[in-house]
Formats: sequence, C-alpha cells, structure tokens
Amino acid sequence: DTEVTQTPKHLVMGMTNKKSLKCEQHMGHRAMYWYKQKAKKPPELMFVYSYEKLSINESVPSRFSPECPNSSLLNLHLHALQPEDSALYLCASSQENGGGGLTDTQYFGPGTRLTVL
Amino acid sequence: AQTVTQSQPEMSVQEAETVTLSCTYDTSESDYYLFWYKQPPSRQMILVIRQEAYKQQNATENRFSVNFQKAAKSFSLKISDSQLGDAAMYFCAYRSTFYGQNFVFGPGTRLSVLP
Repeated sequence: DTEVTQTPKHLVMGMTNKKSLKCEQHMGHRAMYWYKQKAKKPPELMFVYSYEKLSINESVPSRFSPECPNSSLLNLHLHALQPEDSALYLCASSQENGGGGLTDTQYFGPGTRLTVL
Repeated sequence: AQTVTQSQPEMSVQEAETVTLSCTYDTSESDYYLFWYKQPPSRQMILVIRQEAYKQQNATENRFSVNFQKAAKSFSLKISDSQLGDAAMYFCAYRSTFYGQNFVFGPGTRLSVLP
C-alpha cells in the first residue's frame, strides 16, 4: 500500500481564520514532507520531518506551523494567511534510513486546494 | 547545487504513438537517484519510474522506459503506445544519496494525448 491521504480536499478561508491541513500515511515511513505548489509549477518544499522531528524549514513564514504528532500523522496549521498563499498543498512521505545515506522514493498525497480570500 | 532542466514546456502525441520527454540535470555527485513523476489534472503526483545512477541498465515500467545517459547527464522518458490517461504534467526529479538532501524538481512538461 503506497497511500498517503490528505484532508480536506478543498479549503476556503479568510485572512483572519485558523485552519489545519492533515496528512496521514501507514507505510511505516519515517520522513514526511509539506510542499506548496502553484499552478503549472513544480512543488516547492516547505518542511521536512524526519523521525518526528523537524529537520528542514525552508524559510517558510510563521503563519504556517507544522506539527508531527506521531510517525503516521502530519499537520499544517494555518493562521492569518495572505491571498498569495492560495495554492495546492501536497504532503509526501518516504522511508528514510536514519543511519544516513539511504534515500527513497517520495509518495505523494492528493493534495489540499487552498483558497485564501 | 543541483539543477534539473526540462526543455519542452508542452508536448503532444497521438494516441497509440510513442513520445519522448527530455530531462537534463547538473550535479557534481557520482551517485544519486532520478525520478519521473506524473501529475494528471486530478493533481496527485504519481511515481512513474525511478533510476539509480550506479545502475547502467535503463529502468522500465510497462509502457514507460528511460534513456539514462550518465555522462551526458540526461534522463529522458519514453512513453510507448500512448493512452488518453497519459495526459498529464510530467516532472523530472533529482535526489542526492546524501542523507537530508531533498528532491530537486524540473519545471515540468505538459503532455497532451490526441485521440
């Protein structure tokens, strides 16, 4: 099973709202990722969690707050977003060897289409 | 830093015909992974094929195959017997074998399949 699930599929929010995106995988993967994707562009990496610890934050504004409650779940908390934050938000996971050197394929979820009004 | 280039923003192919999508990359590393991902209008990124740089044999998955030219830093995707369901955005991606390194995506090629 190579499934990554994301909820909700669509989200419309105002600039003062607080909302959360959720991602889940049951493949035993130890690395999880958040990407932002604008139309007709490749995904842009936002955050990486490795073994439930934040390992990479690609200079993302603080209005985006990631959380990894356990090895299967990844959340992205949203607050005071701007209209330019409207995009497709993709979650991905991969099986990482914590000993270093071994990388693997990233499996993506279907994404959440976010619109900020 | 590594870069990935896809020189064809858009391509089209007749149903049942063969099409080749180009990808070149720049790296100073000798070992790495290369991927082709497909993203149809339904928007989910789906792995098409994966190649390990230390393997000389080109990867194949059913109708999809790659032409991996390591010296030329080229990694093209051939789709045989094209089907309507192959219409999508195709992204080429590079990944270092070093722990903590992440995907570098190319800009994508939009493939249309004509009936």
